[in-house]
Amino acid sequence: DTGVSQNPRHKITKRGQNVTFRCDPISEHNRLYWYRQTLGQGPEFLTYFQNEAQLEKSRLLSDRFSAERPKGSFSTLEIQRTEQGDSAMYLCASSLQRRIKGGEQYFGPGTRLTVT
Amino acid sequence: GDSVTQMEGPVTLSEEAFLTINCTYTATGYPSLFWYVQYPGEGLQLLLKATKADDKGSNKGFEATYRKETTSFHLEKGSVQVSDSAVYFCALSEGSASKIIFGSGTRLSIRP
Repeated sequence: DTGVSQNPRHKITKRGQNVTFRCDPISEHNRLYWYRQTLGQGPEFLTYFQNEAQLEKSRLLSDRFSAERPKGSFSTLEIQRTEQGDSAMYLCASSLQRRIKGGEQYFGPGTRLTVT
Repeated sequence: GDSVTQMEGPVTLSEEAFLTINCTYTATGYPSLFWYVQYPGEGLQLLLKATKADDKGSNKGFEATYRKETTSFHLEKGSVQVSDSAVYFCALSEGSASKIIFGSGTRLSIRP
């Protein structure tokens, strides 16, 4: 399977703990996006990378959140001092840079985080 | 800022019924418009897209036309199947690199 993969698929943690998620994009894609989806809502943009550079961050990304893409391949999203409000599905997507509108983003299956 | 508003669900139809899911958008520029679908237990998949006014996107019997004058991108299918049961998201993006802004999703259930 050469799609976007995410690990773990599920994570249960206690409030105050740190968690880290990993995303492996489609291999030739140079753009990588993180989104958060809460129950009954559409995904909300968090941040995106072009190669290893983080080019945009949403105001949803508080200082407890940090994302990296050290070699322009896989990415990690870390949440420090988790809160119950962080419980959500975290989605990763990747795309190939094109100078055209409407480039498709390919989504992974997501990591479901539950903070107890 | 940019936003997408779509018909609230759930929507329940009988097999072979006609489907419309309404979607309107607000954008400062000339966005690309998308419909994504999330089947039970699966990730988001692009269903169809349109990048300029009057374009029609189509796939798997679904269609949507980019209407700039009404800022709409309604999803239609002439005859739904049980396998179309899923959550449908209307979405937009601006430019070639941008994040996607999603609506809140419409859950569709098709009964045999």
